[in-house]
Amino acid sequence: DTGVSQDPRHKITKRGQNVTFRCDPISEHNRLYWYRQTLGQGPEFLTYFQNEAQLEKSRLLSDRFSAERPKGSFSTLEIQRTEQGDSAMYLCASSFVGMAGGNEQFFGPGTRLTVL
Amino acid sequence: AQKVTQAQTEISVVEKEDVTLDCVYETRDTTYYLFWYKQPPSGELVFLIRRNSFDEQNEISGRYSWNFQKSTSSFNFTITASQVVDSAVYFCSLSEGAQKLVFGQGTRLTINP
Repeated sequence: DTGVSQDPRHKITKRGQNVTFRCDPISEHNRLYWYRQTLGQGPEFLTYFQNEAQLEKSRLLSDRFSAERPKGSFSTLEIQRTEQGDSAMYLCASSFVGMAGGNEQFFGPGTRLTVL
Repeated sequence: AQKVTQAQTEISVVEKEDVTLDCVYETRDTTYYLFWYKQPPSGELVFLIRRNSFDEQNEISGRYSWNFQKSTSSFNFTITASQVVDSAVYFCSLSEGAQKLVFGQGTRLTINP
């Protein structure tokens, strides 16, 4: 079990540029989540997928943000026309949800985005 | 709407002391799940425990114990005989059904040698 991986771990970009992050979940997990965490705060939900279907998007997710999970495996989160307020840690998590319910989510190391 | 409140922003204790982290939640659902996560200085969130709304049995795992009380909507976490390695930010969180997690603000715990 290699855990959830995220790439890159750090990204520095200039305001107005587009950035894309990748998340590889734990292989047998059917759900994948994106969260954003700013300094001193708890993670905030952005969106999640069940297999390849995007089931929920937060109101925090402006139209500059888009996420995909083609083929129900890895996921990408793209931010277009970045703003300084987008600077945060972007966390990916995955879980397996079956008949028994429950939803412990396992997190990756995160991608720290700095927008200059 | 779901809400998780961790009123203690920071706690500092001396090693070997017992410490309790408080968590109070709000939800309208009858089926929900409660979680505790640890975020050490390295930054990666580590899953500690999940509790189902229909199971109020308390749990002990080594030096860690959790007290779930539906009557007071609380899910408190106690570390017995704290160690320096327990220093981290601890998050309590809630999910309705098996969906997104709603996190509290976190409690920064510092264990001093």
